[in-house]
Amino acid sequence: AQKITQTQPGMFVQEKEAVTLDCTYDTSDQSYGLFWYKQPSSGEMIFLIYQGSYDEQNATEGRYSLNFQKARKSANLVISASQLGDSAMYFCAMSTGFQKLVFGTGTRLLVSP
Amino acid sequence: EAEVAQSPRYKITEKSQAVAFWCDPISGHATLYWYRQILGQGPELLVQFQDESVVDDSQLPKDRFSAERLKGVDSTLKIQPAELGDSAMYLCASSLAYSAGTEAFFGQGTRLTVV
Repeated sequence: AQKITQTQPGMFVQEKEAVTLDCTYDTSDQSYGLFWYKQPSSGEMIFLIYQGSYDEQNATEGRYSLNFQKARKSANLVISASQLGDSAMYFCAMSTGFQKLVFGTGTRLLVSP
Repeated sequence: EAEVAQSPRYKITEKSQAVAFWCDPISGHATLYWYRQILGQGPELLVQFQDESVVDDSQLPKDRFSAERLKGVDSTLKIQPAELGDSAMYLCASSLAYSAGTEAFFGQGTRLTVV
């Protein structure tokens, strides 16, 4: 069975600093995809970044990068130069084979001025 | 910009009443998901469609929940009768392909309160 674990219920960071949100996963499948989504207080889920299990390079999208360590089964999200608008819930998710997208419990990020 | 449409945005219903949510995925997206998100938790998959067929409904409480996607386009999720524990955000998502690496796009959700 697939499982995503996010051990940080909440994180605090100062504006312009970098922050790392942790995510570990468990699957017996060789082919899988890892995703990070942002959920502001308004409720919609916003796609941030994707990493495929066979991708050799870590994914990057603007200020977001994914630190993929396959042997450790971790897929941490790094946000560089945090902004006030980054305050939100962040969810790590995984899909395998039949595209079933399983989510972790989330990390609430608060960016302070 | 194409987006997943959901209605209503908010719904308040009394316990034991019936309630229905509607979702219109992005045009051309074959895969459609319904998720339930209880406050403070991550989304939990209720049902996944590929075109009009159900791929996974293992977590759908079938005694009270039903979902359909008759023409393989829009979808309806129904709860009858609603219970207090059903209060949650119901999220619909769609994706283009049926593979591990395809991004899912989410609608704004329906926030259900059962009183």
